[in-house]
Amino acid sequence: KAGVTQTPRYLIKTRGQQVTLSCSPISGHRSVSWYQQTPGQGLQFLFEYFSETQRNKGNFPGRFSGRQFSNSRSEMNVSTLELGDSALYLCASSLYSKETQYFGPGTRLLVL
Amino acid sequence: QKEVEQDPGPLSVPEGAIVSLNCTYSNSAFQYFMWYRQYSRKGPELLMYTYSSGNKEDGRFTAQVDKSSKYISLFIRDSQPSDSATYLCAMRREYNYGQNFVFGPGTRLSVLP
Repeated sequence: KAGVTQTPRYLIKTRGQQVTLSCSPISGHRSVSWYQQTPGQGLQFLFEYFSETQRNKGNFPGRFSGRQFSNSRSEMNVSTLELGDSALYLCASSLYSKETQYFGPGTRLLVL
Repeated sequence: QKEVEQDPGPLSVPEGAIVSLNCTYSNSAFQYFMWYRQYSRKGPELLMYTYSSGNKEDGRFTAQVDKSSKYISLFIRDSQPSDSATYLCAMRREYNYGQNFVFGPGTRLSVLP
């Protein structure tokens, strides 16, 4: 079974721009969660989607948003990028909301 | 106080050593416990998943949970240079409240040949 895939793997943007990251979960998984990982803060939860509905949201500003499609694929969007948004963005999928999560390789975002 | 505490290391051991990695937590609502391994510039990879107190073994890895002390451990026997990575503990609450999974900051491990 193919694992979680994320695109793109690397991204360089400048301050003020916006970015969209994509995640394809493991086939059959309906829950997708997004995390931001930085050396100083570790893994920080962004939000979780299940069956196209946002179930939970972490403490991030409204510039961070996401959505999930009917095929469970998910996208997250960051608008008005700031230097501090530079991080590894990880997507994790699970069969249901509380099941064990499996992570993708991440998208490394650099904001200049 | 953070919900999950983990010594960030770095921890350096010689090849063949037994490695002990630990996490403590403060919220008794955590009922499920996981260990992930993350190589540099990669996503975390699930190593162990356990629910009850006690030990769970998988090859060279043993996960130990002590719910009464709110303490979990991961032991690696006969450590190899390929075990060099960051190890993250993760916990999940039983009920659906806010963020389901909470991660420790990770311990960076180096196994020296």
